[in-house]
Amino acid sequence: EAGVAQSPRYKIIEKRQSVAFWCNPISGHATLYWYQQILGQGPKLLIQFQNNGVVDDSQLPKDRFSAERLKGVDSTLKIQPAKLEDSAVYLCASSSPGPGNTIYFGEGSWLTVV
Amino acid sequence: QKEVEQNSGPLSVPEGAIASLNCTYSDRGSQSFFWYRQYSGKSPELIMFIYSNGDKEDGRFTAQLNKASQYVSLLIRDSQPSDSATYLCAVRKVNTGFQKLVFGTGTRLLVSP
Repeated sequence: EAGVAQSPRYKIIEKRQSVAFWCNPISGHATLYWYQQILGQGPKLLIQFQNNGVVDDSQLPKDRFSAERLKGVDSTLKIQPAKLEDSAVYLCASSSPGPGNTIYFGEGSWLTVV
Repeated sequence: QKEVEQNSGPLSVPEGAIASLNCTYSDRGSQSFFWYRQYSGKSPELIMFIYSNGDKEDGRFTAQLNKASQYVSLLIRDSQPSDSATYLCAVRKVNTGFQKLVFGTGTRLLVSP
């Protein structure tokens, strides 16, 4: 079974530029998560989708971050304009529906804003 | 108060010793608890989870849960240098039928040969 796929793995951009990250969850997983992990910290949930609907985006900085999952499979997370403090790993994860299922993480997309 | 708290470490133990990693949580209604291991530059991988008070063993790993004290721990027996990593404690929260994981900051474990 293929895991959660993410791209690009690494990205360096200047502040005020934009960047987009792509995620393809495990086949059949209806729930998709985007977490942000700043160096030395634990992952923080940015947004959670159930199929193509948003379940939780309470910690998403909506003035600069946006995410979509138009067909209920792949998802894109965009940052525009980027700030220095956005330097982090962006982890996509997925799980089957329901409260009892394991959440699996992708390898992450590493962003450096200079 | 943070929802999930861990000592950032590093916790240094010699090879073959028992490593004890601790975690406390603030929401007394939390039901499920997870331990993830994260190697430097890698994504978190699930080690084990625990729902019930007491101990749960899986190979060299034992998770311990004390809901009254709101305390979760992970014991690693016969620690190996390959166990050197950051260990993340996570609490599953369920809201309107949807789950999410809330993570601590992680404890860095160093196992010396």
